[in-house]
Amino acid sequence: DADVTQTPRNRITKTGKRIMLECSQTKGHDRMYWYRQDPGLGLRLIYYSFDVKDINKGEISDGYSVSRQAQAKFSLSLESAIPNQTALYFCATRGMQDRNEQFFGPGTRLTVL
Amino acid sequence: QKEVEQDPGPLSVPEGAIVSLNCTYSNSAFQYFMWYRQYSRKGPELLMYTYSSGNKEDGRFTAQVDKSSKYISLFIRDSQPSDSATYLCAMSGKSGGSNYKLTFGKGTLLTVNP
Repeated sequence: DADVTQTPRNRITKTGKRIMLECSQTKGHDRMYWYRQDPGLGLRLIYYSFDVKDINKGEISDGYSVSRQAQAKFSLSLESAIPNQTALYFCATRGMQDRNEQFFGPGTRLTVL
Repeated sequence: QKEVEQDPGPLSVPEGAIVSLNCTYSNSAFQYFMWYRQYSRKGPELLMYTYSSGNKEDGRFTAQVDKSSKYISLFIRDSQPSDSATYLCAMSGKSGGSNYKLTFGKGTLLTVNP
């Protein structure tokens, strides 16, 4: 089974709708991240969380919110989706080791019409 | 100047070729250097990890870091069609404190032709 899972894998929605993307991990890692990936722009950090009580904005948090329901679960919400939020979204985790490497989920392809 | 620069390619090579992928960076605080491989419609997966300067070899892959030049490379020997993917460099400062995040290059799309 995959260590980092994301649901849904694909979603098409309309402008103005509220959308939630979910991430679960079985790696036992404390740190979790949400990124979006756009062609030509690479991976950009939306939010990150060091533990259940520690949530921080990344470089592009406007229009997004997150919830860390448990150590293993980190959800990303688009309160009112807009077309320029069409992108590939990735969840990632990182353990407490010194290595700074992150482990990515399979991604959610979101299309906002 | 962007913190991390990576030529997006695309790069197309014949099977068996030696591939060289590169990134330059501007932040002298970076100490951890990684290469991720991303297949189409998949998440990035960690391929190589290097701390500070030097070389690291793993099978057909060699990662090099030259901190004095702020330049990192990934070499793929005897490239295979299964190596066709986007390769992203990533780097970060010292673990802990505010150096929590990875800074990614935009990725280089590689195609290895049979």
